[in-house]
Amino acid sequence: EVQLVESGGGLVQPGGSLRLSCAASGFTFRSYWMSWVRQVPGKGLEWVANIKQDGSEKYYVDSVKGRFTISRDNTKNSLYLQMNSLRVEDTAVYYCARVASGVESYGLDVWGQGTTVTVSS
Amino acid sequence: EIVLTQSPATLSLSPGERATLSCRASQSVSSYLAWYQQKPGQAPRLLIYDASNRATGIPARFSGSGSGTDFTLTISSLEPEDFAVYYCQQRSTWPPRLTFGGGTKVDIK
Repeated sequence: EVQLVESGGGLVQPGGSLRLSCAASGFTFRSYWMSWVRQVPGKGLEWVANIKQDGSEKYYVDSVKGRFTISRDNTKNSLYLQMNSLRVEDTAVYYCARVASGVESYGLDVWGQGTTVTVSS
Repeated sequence: EIVLTQSPATLSLSPGERATLSCRASQSVSSYLAWYQQKPGQAPRLLIYDASNRATGIPARFSGSGSGTDFTLTISSLEPEDFAVYYCQQRSTWPPRLTFGGGTKVDIK
């Protein structure tokens, strides 16, 4: 079964750090672009970052540039999101998602269940 | 930055009716557009990619059309399980940054 499982969410104070992990199974992880997407409860979706198959290219939404770092370990079939200098407005459910292969629109065809990050004092 | 505007914000329909959802881009995105369905408490599900291609396992009542700046998701005959929120998403040409629309909620009339 193709699956993504996030972990690492929690409560953190403003200015703090958190590292999210996403464990992939059931597919050849190293063959896919991967993404992080977040969603404030009750609100819409916001793309956060993308990473190429070999980790050589990474792209971010402007609001997290310089604070968040996406990475991957293809030997462990894992995706990560290191979040530093967290702000209250980073509070959201964070999803990892797989970019569908060969799809021009970079549609996200596999999603995890999400992990909740709460930034509050 | 390309902005996606979805309309209407809410669509109230009955089972069996046709649903037509719109997504408009602030500049051309070619066919780099996808559609998702999200139900409460669940992750989004990819319905349509590259404007008009159904994703694996998606029923034929879902169809996508359009190119450039104007796109449509059509549900030909609403089933009870189709009442949900729908999002469009585009990919900028390069670098490949993604943007989502604000969503359309399809609820039961």
